[in-house]
Amino acid sequence: GENVEQHPSTLSVQEGDSAVIKCTYSDSASNYFPWYKQELGKRPQLIIDIRSNVGEKKDQRIAVTLNKTAKHFSLHITETQPEDSAVYFCAASISRGSYIPTFGRGTSLIVHP
Amino acid sequence: EAGVAQSPRYKIIEKRQSVAFWCNPISGHATLYWYQQILGQGPKLLIQFQNNGVVDDSQLPKDRFSAERLKGVDSTLKIQPAKLEDSAVYLCASSPSGGPATQYFGPGTRLLVL
Repeated sequence: GENVEQHPSTLSVQEGDSAVIKCTYSDSASNYFPWYKQELGKRPQLIIDIRSNVGEKKDQRIAVTLNKTAKHFSLHITETQPEDSAVYFCAASISRGSYIPTFGRGTSLIVHP
Repeated sequence: EAGVAQSPRYKIIEKRQSVAFWCNPISGHATLYWYQQILGQGPKLLIQFQNNGVVDDSQLPKDRFSAERLKGVDSTLKIQPAKLEDSAVYLCASSPSGGPATQYFGPGTRLLVL
């Protein structure tokens, strides 16, 4: 089955700095890559996603890049703010009639004011 | 629109006991997911339904876990008998279709097995 590795497990930055979280996947058939943000004690919420026919997608301070050849994708957050502090999960989804997701272990992002 | 509902929110049981969780997805959502999230880890997919059919249950420990989605709406996840390592948050999520679409998560059920 699919295997998703996520790094780093913890990321500490100063407010205003950029943050980058990287994920690799094993199954070249994966073609949908969402990113979720989970604040402490709350449910995961989608923040951005990318499909395999696109190399980059941006939404305000958040961007995701995908390298299909290398089978890795990254989340970039610019001008970080304290409210960006949360756990971020990447996922890789394979279509077998329905999209089946595999999540990474998560990155705890801490933004210091 | 109303979100994904789950109950109970918290459950404490002793090992070897049984427990059941309930999920009501967003109205009209065809796809329903059950995840197990152990502290400090990402959600692990246990079972995925498309309407009332199972799409994937390859990571469901079938000797003790079972799930059903009658009439393609609500779903229940059961553990019988529970083990200590089943202590986790059980998340239910739904999406409009089986395609690449946003999953909407419920608040989760926090299970502690003593």
